[in-house]
Amino acid sequence: QSALTQPASVSRSPGQSITISCTETSSDVGSYTYVSWYQQHPGKAPKLMIYDVSNRPSGVSNRFSGSKSGSTASLTISGLQAEDEADYYCSSYTSTSTWVFGGGTKLTVL
Amino acid sequence: EVQLVQSGAEVKKPGESLKISCKGSGYSFTSYWIGWVRQMPGKGLEWMGIIYPGDSDTRYSPSFQGQVTISADKSISTAYLQWSSLKASDTAMYYCARSEYVQKGPDYWGQGTLVTVSS
Repeated sequence: QSALTQPASVSRSPGQSITISCTETSSDVGSYTYVSWYQQHPGKAPKLMIYDVSNRPSGVSNRFSGSKSGSTASLTISGLQAEDEADYYCSSYTSTSTWVFGGGTKLTVL
Repeated sequence: EVQLVQSGAEVKKPGESLKISCKGSGYSFTSYWIGWVRQMPGKGLEWMGIIYPGDSDTRYSPSFQGQVTISADKSISTAYLQWSSLKASDTAMYYCARSEYVQKGPDYWGQGTLVTVSS
């Protein structure tokens, strides 16, 4: 049972924006400061898109941004493109020095 | 170029032991954490644990504590994930991934090792 809750699926049209939420549901997540987001295409390894809530690794499009308000972290993708269609996972470092993933969100770009 | 190259797919029987590997190159292997992530067929990602090859500091997620062993051999820049007695439920893709510091999301990932456990 994940301590991070994500919507199972979301869909938008190309060019639109989407925000995927990740809500902390367990006190084990601690300060919830170290939130990361990953993109995974079918059959591929995950790719880091956002780390430490809102930092974007080099090479990741600035269409991707992260934020957090209270117990909910969010990944926003602007100007959706067909290649953004993938599974997205949030992850957080916990108070017990381990990590937890959200259940994942399947993004469909219609 | 940073690379994490994992060992090849494995087919094992229940009760058998297994050790899979993850070789790092293109960076200082002892200065980054290596984590392991499980993905069961058609399911989401699960953190298993992480090791700092520099001093072998190892931490396990509660669900995997006692079920697997994570280790590293810094002399050959390789991290390992091993099982002493596999179960059918261990059938999954396993990824290794590199983190700059223990709290940070991994930035480089291996290609994955598919482990199939079947009688």
